[in-house]
Amino acid sequence: AQTVTQSQPEMSVQEAETVTLSCTYDTSESDYYLFWYKQPPSRQMILVIRQEAYKQQNATENRFSVNFQKAAKSFSLKISDSQLGDAAMYFCVNDMRFGAGTRLTVKP
Amino acid sequence: EPEVTQTPSHQVTQMGQEVILRCVPISNHLYFYWYRQILGQKVEFLVSFYNNEISEKSEIFDDQFSVERPDGSNFTLKIRSTKLEDSAMYFCASSEYAGSMDEQFFGPGTRLTVL
Repeated sequence: AQTVTQSQPEMSVQEAETVTLSCTYDTSESDYYLFWYKQPPSRQMILVIRQEAYKQQNATENRFSVNFQKAAKSFSLKISDSQLGDAAMYFCVNDMRFGAGTRLTVKP
Repeated sequence: EPEVTQTPSHQVTQMGQEVILRCVPISNHLYFYWYRQILGQKVEFLVSFYNNEISEKSEIFDDQFSVERPDGSNFTLKIRSTKLEDSAMYFCASSEYAGSMDEQFFGPGTRLTVL
């Protein structure tokens, strides 16, 4: 069975600092996609970043980047220059399977 | 900007009753999904729907559940005989291409409370 594991239920970061959220996954597919979604409080879930497994280059979207380690089946999200608006639940997703989520708090 | 909408935002029902949760996906999207999130727990995939039929379903999606696209805009989830454990937040999502590879757009959710 495909599984996605997020081992950090909660993380905290100081505004303007960098934080990394961890994710590991298990899949039998050779080609697949990985996603990070963000769910702000009382707001809709939105895509943060997407990685195609066959691409070796790590995806980047402005302050958000990933460290994709295919052999280790690891897919961490790095948020640089953290802003108050980054506070949310972050979900790692593979093939419609969600990790348990990491609640990120940003301290001013 | 187009968005996925869901109605109602909160539904309260008695155990054993049927409920229908409604979703309006983004108009040019072809793939539709239902997920649920029991309070404090992970988001769980229920079902995906494409070309007027179920393309994939999880073990949660048993005979009590059904989905339908009754017209060109709505996508519904029916729970035939609700149980206490069906209490959860239900999210609808849609995507232009298959959700395993494409960005999914999520609705705000319907909170279902079964008494």
